[in-house]
Amino acid sequence: EDQVTQSPEALRLQEGESSSLNCSYTVSGLRGLFWYRQDPGKGPEFLFTLYSAGEEKEKERLKATLTKKESFLHITAPKPEDSATYLCAVRAAAGNKLTFGGGTRVLVKP
Amino acid sequence: NAGVTQTPKFQVLKTGQSMTLQCAQDMNHNSMYWYRQDPGMGLRLIYYSASEGTTDKGEVPNGYNVSRLNKREFSLRLESAAPSQTSVYFCASSDQGAMNTEAFFGQGTRLTVV
Repeated sequence: EDQVTQSPEALRLQEGESSSLNCSYTVSGLRGLFWYRQDPGKGPEFLFTLYSAGEEKEKERLKATLTKKESFLHITAPKPEDSATYLCAVRAAAGNKLTFGGGTRVLVKP
Repeated sequence: NAGVTQTPKFQVLKTGQSMTLQCAQDMNHNSMYWYRQDPGMGLRLIYYSASEGTTDKGEVPNGYNVSRLNKREFSLRLESAAPSQTSVYFCASSDQGAMNTEAFFGQGTRLTVV
């Protein structure tokens, strides 16, 4: 069974204090690993897809990386508007299900 | 583009009442999903439909039924609501045949069962 574990559960940062979020996964043949951002009261918003170990994607202050067992979301010099819950999900090679981790709540204080 | 639209946004039900959550997407996606999100539990898959005419159970299907009405619409029905079904429900869609298979989500339905 596919499993996704995210850590830490919550992260409090000062503005400008860089940090990383972890997503560990087990899946039978990875078809894609996805990062989403979710603001309170809203649906998850797509950020990145990673397909193979060694792949990296960047968007503004966010950078996602992938190994065979985990993915990291690096937040560089965060701003208060980066405060959100960040969700990681995997899709297996067989089947159409998207399995999510529990998320990391990030709070960036000015 | 509207993307994925869910109705209603909020609902309060009494135990034992029934209701249907509606979801429609305008992106011509093949696959659609229903998730529930509870504090500390992340998003859990209730049912999904890989393509028009097919539906499959996810992780937590008990107490729910679904209908893939056509390619655009995927509804979730609670036949006899229970307090344990108090949650935020999200509908999503994705294009299984494409290189990029990320799912797009609606804004959610916040359901309270009293």
